[in-house]
Formats: sequence, structure tokens, C-alpha cells
Amino acid sequence: DADVTQTPRNRITKTGKRIMLECSQTKGHDRMYWYRQDPGLGLRLIYYSFDVKDINKGEISDGYSVSRQAQAKFSLSLESAIPNQTALYFCATSQGQVDYNEQFFGPGTRLTVL
Amino acid sequence: AQSVTQLDSQVPVFEEAPVELRCNYSSSVSVYLFWYVQYPNQGLQLLLKYLSGSTLVKGINGFEAEFNKSQTSFHLRKPSVHISDTAEYFCAVISNTGFQKLVFGTGTRLLVSP
Repeated sequence: DADVTQTPRNRITKTGKRIMLECSQTKGHDRMYWYRQDPGLGLRLIYYSFDVKDINKGEISDGYSVSRQAQAKFSLSLESAIPNQTALYFCATSQGQVDYNEQFFGPGTRLTVL
Repeated sequence: AQSVTQLDSQVPVFEEAPVELRCNYSSSVSVYLFWYVQYPNQGLQLLLKYLSGSTLVKGINGFEAEFNKSQTSFHLRKPSVHISDTAEYFCAVISNTGFQKLVFGTGTRLLVSP
């Protein structure tokens, strides 16, 4: 079984709709992250969370919000989707306390906003 | 702030040939360096990382990378590639002075042909 799962894996939606992407992990890690990947731009950090009560904005948080429902669950919401939010979204986790620990990635959610 | 440059967006190579994927970084402080690989339709997984010590780092699947502080480079090499190495490779850097986000390069697509 995968350690980091993301649902849905693919989603097509329309401009203005609210969308939630979910991430669950069984690794027992404290830290969780949301990234988006765009062709030619690599991965960019949207939000990160060090624990349930510690949530921080990344470099491209505008238009997104997150919720850390439990240590194992970290959801990303697009309150009103727009076409330039079409991208591949990844959730990742890492063990806490040090920054150089490996990040473990989920399989990604491909989101298309029409 | 840190930045990462991967000059080659795509590297075609024949099976069993050697390959080098280039990565240069910019930072005013000391950093940790990483190479991640993304196979088609999958999330990223760690190939190797440099934290300190020996500048030659060995990773999974026969890959290795050499940290060169004077040239601010962290090039990835493999002496003989396989078809299964076809993937996208991301170099990433993080500062070792308090939490900074993991900064990814734009990626290099390695295409191995028979």
C-alpha cells in the first residue's frame, strides 16, 4: 500500500467551482507539504505544515487554502478555481525536526480548470 | 534565498552510454543538495542527497553526484544508463540555516533509447 495517497488522481472542473484535494499518509510524519508542478517550472511550494496547529504559506499560496485535519491528513482547497490553476499537484511528507530529511511524495493529482 | 539552475531541459542518450545531468545552485549560505527522480505518472522519489562530508555521493540505481563548492554545482552522473532510467530528474537545494523551503530546479528529462 502507498504511504502517501492523494485523491482524486484526476479532476476536471469549471472556473469558479470550489475544489478540494486530499492527502493522507501512513508514514507517521509530522511535516506535510503541498506543491504544484507546471511544465518548465519545476515544483513550487503552496503551503506546508509542521504539525496540526502549525500551517504556513509557501511561495504561491494566493488562491489556495489548506486544512490539517489530523497528523495524517492535509487537504488543499481552491475556493474559486481559475484556469491558471491547471497543474499537477503533489502532497509530500517528511519526518520532523530537521530540514534535510527526505520528502516522500504522493502520486499527484492532475487538475484541469476549464 | 536559494535558486537552482538545470540548464538542460532534455537529454537524449542511447542505452548503455554514460550521462551527466547538470545542476548549479546559488546561495549566500551553506546548503543541502538533493536529486529527485520522477518516473512517468508517479510522484518524486529521492535519488541521493549531500549533507556534508565526502563530496562524492552515491545514490540508488547506480547514480552518483559530486558536490563542487567552488563551482556551486551538483551534477548527477551514471556510467551506463538503461531504458528504465527514462524519467525527469530534479535538483533541489535547501538552506541549512533555519527552515527554508526546498527549492527545485526546472527539471531535466532524460530520454534513453535503444
